[in-house]
Amino acid sequence: GQNIDQPTEMTATEGAIVQINCTYQTSGFNGLFWYQQHAGEAPTFLSYNVLDGLEEKGRFSSFLSRSKGYSYLLLKELQMKDSASYLCAVRDGNYQLIWGAGTKLIIKP
Amino acid sequence: ETGVTQTPRHLVMGMTNKKSLKCEQHLGHNAMYWYKQSAKKPLELMFVYSLEERVENNSVPSRFSPECPNSSHLFLHLHTLQPEDSALYLCASSQEVAGGAETQYFGPGTRLLVL
Repeated sequence: GQNIDQPTEMTATEGAIVQINCTYQTSGFNGLFWYQQHAGEAPTFLSYNVLDGLEEKGRFSSFLSRSKGYSYLLLKELQMKDSASYLCAVRDGNYQLIWGAGTKLIIKP
Repeated sequence: ETGVTQTPRHLVMGMTNKKSLKCEQHLGHNAMYWYKQSAKKPLELMFVYSLEERVENNSVPSRFSPECPNSSHLFLHLHTLQPEDSALYLCASSQEVAGGAETQYFGPGTRLLVL
């Protein structure tokens, strides 16, 4: 079967750096997405990786290793507003999106 | 992102009621989706419409009935729901291109409680 694994919850301190990992086993691969979802709100698109390597967007970076079935989202200079759930999703060989259960990130002052 | 809107935002209904959820996208996309989101579980894809035709329903119970009158509007009709159907229902849209769909953009969801 197809599976996406990510930690259920993580805690970090304001101003620090946190890395949220995502591992996947899918039938084929056509890209990996990261979304941010604040409580009670819509998931919003953060990043897309289809080739190996690091994609940087301001304080957020996303890394992909297709051979390892692994990605991470790196958040720098954490702010209280970064408290949210972070969803990892993989587009499989049939272009279907397979979703992880999300990682709830708690930022403490 | 306000490109996808959903109404109502909150809904409480009894098991014998009939209600409808509405989604509208203002992004010019040609594909729309209904998802169910339950606590601590992955998003569950319920229905996909591409160019106003349903292409996938993932074995969703018949008490959920989708309708897509045009590429900008999507409805989810609900009847005789069960308490376990209580969840956040998310609508999304994307642009389908040759080889697959591009990034999905989500609405804020309808928080549904079935009593």
